[in-house]
Amino acid sequence: DGGITQSPKYLFRKEGQNVTLSCEQNLNHDAMYWYRQDPGQGLRLIYYSQIVNDFQKGDIAEGYSVSREKKESFPLTVTSAQKNPTAFYLCASRTQGASTDTQYFGPGTRLTVL
Amino acid sequence: AQSVTQLDSQVPVFEEAPVELRCNYSSSVSVYLFWYVQYPNQGLQLLLKYLSGSTLVKGINGFEAEFNKSQTSFHLRKPSVHISDTAEYFCAVSDASNTGKLIFGQGTTLQVKP
Repeated sequence: DGGITQSPKYLFRKEGQNVTLSCEQNLNHDAMYWYRQDPGQGLRLIYYSQIVNDFQKGDIAEGYSVSREKKESFPLTVTSAQKNPTAFYLCASRTQGASTDTQYFGPGTRLTVL
Repeated sequence: AQSVTQLDSQVPVFEEAPVELRCNYSSSVSVYLFWYVQYPNQGLQLLLKYLSGSTLVKGINGFEAEFNKSQTSFHLRKPSVHISDTAEYFCAVSDASNTGKLIFGQGTTLQVKP
């Protein structure tokens, strides 16, 4: 069953802690993305990766870090430097091509800072 | 730079009535356009997309959208809504470049009443 999985579904963090959100895909997509969603707002791009061992900052990268050691995996670390990390985090992967260019999303992780 | 404006934050409608969710975009280059739906505490599901070709695009669940280049719009329509269509709807634009980055609108909440 192909798709994108994110874990955990809910995550609680104390202030000052780093946490890592998992994103895995078995769609054989090269490109992967992390977005942040806040209530009443659209999604904002945090980081993206177009190929293994390479990634670029999105619009709101401060306080976040990523790695892309495997094609299937693109974990996101929310560091203590992120001032307001409580949000819903969505991972996506992308099928590329002139007639198929589309991002597909995982189910999301809701992070709450206590 | 690109931007997306969803003109209505909330759209209440009675069951079996038609609905239109409005989306305008700005871009100086060719674009790809997308509509996604999000149910509470879930990820985004692709409804439909415009990459090229026919400007009238049909998607899942009876939705369709029309790409209007002169008015820079991509409005979403459904002739008869169901209670199950109650959800958040997001319009997104990509600049059709290799990065595939999406810019999202703020979202429109469709509330279908019995």
